[in-house]
Amino acid sequence: EAGVTQFPSHSVIEKGQTVTLRCDPISGHDNLYWYRRVMGKEIKFLLHFVKESKQDESGMPNNRFLAERTGGTYSTLKVQPAELEDSGVYFCASSQSALAGNNEQFFGPGTRLTVL
Amino acid sequence: AQSVSQHNHHVILSEAASLELGCNYSYGGTVNLFWYVQYPGQHLQLLLKYFSGDPLVKGIKGFEAEFIKSKFSFNLRKPSVQWSDTAEYFCAGGVYTTSGTYKYIFGTGTRLKVLA
Repeated sequence: EAGVTQFPSHSVIEKGQTVTLRCDPISGHDNLYWYRRVMGKEIKFLLHFVKESKQDESGMPNNRFLAERTGGTYSTLKVQPAELEDSGVYFCASSQSALAGNNEQFFGPGTRLTVL
Repeated sequence: AQSVSQHNHHVILSEAASLELGCNYSYGGTVNLFWYVQYPGQHLQLLLKYFSGDPLVKGIKGFEAEFIKSKFSFNLRKPSVQWSDTAEYFCAGGVYTTSGTYKYIFGTGTRLKVLA
């Protein structure tokens, strides 16, 4: 079974540019999550999709971040325009269920974003 | 506020030494707790998880953790570490929010270096 995949693995862009990160969850997993780790800090929740619907986007930093999951399969996270403080590692995770006892999240390798 | 804290940020041990990494959580309701590991260049992998039942949880690679409700703790242990255990370890709590979503709250991570 293929795991969660993310593309690209690294991205270096200049301040003001746009970057789009992609996540492919494990097949059949309705729940998809985005997290971010800024250097030296904890991994923080950004948002949660159930199929194509945003269940919770309370962790999104600001309106420069836009996440989509058209068709309920893969998801994209766009940062436009990127700022220096957006640098970090962006993790995607998926789970089969969000119910107690069956909600283990499987993580992708992350995308390391560097904004210069 | 809901939080998970890890008190050891950097730990250096010699091979065969015993390991204990601290994790405390601060939230009520359903308690789901996880330990993830990230080996250099790899993605986050689940070591073990606690949902309910026996508070002593056995995980992969000889790791175990004990859930102590009275201390709000879920410390990770291994009796004898190996050089290959060099990695970053993350404690996470799974929480349900008032909006019905489920997300992880992570600690800041502990970098473990095992000297051969």
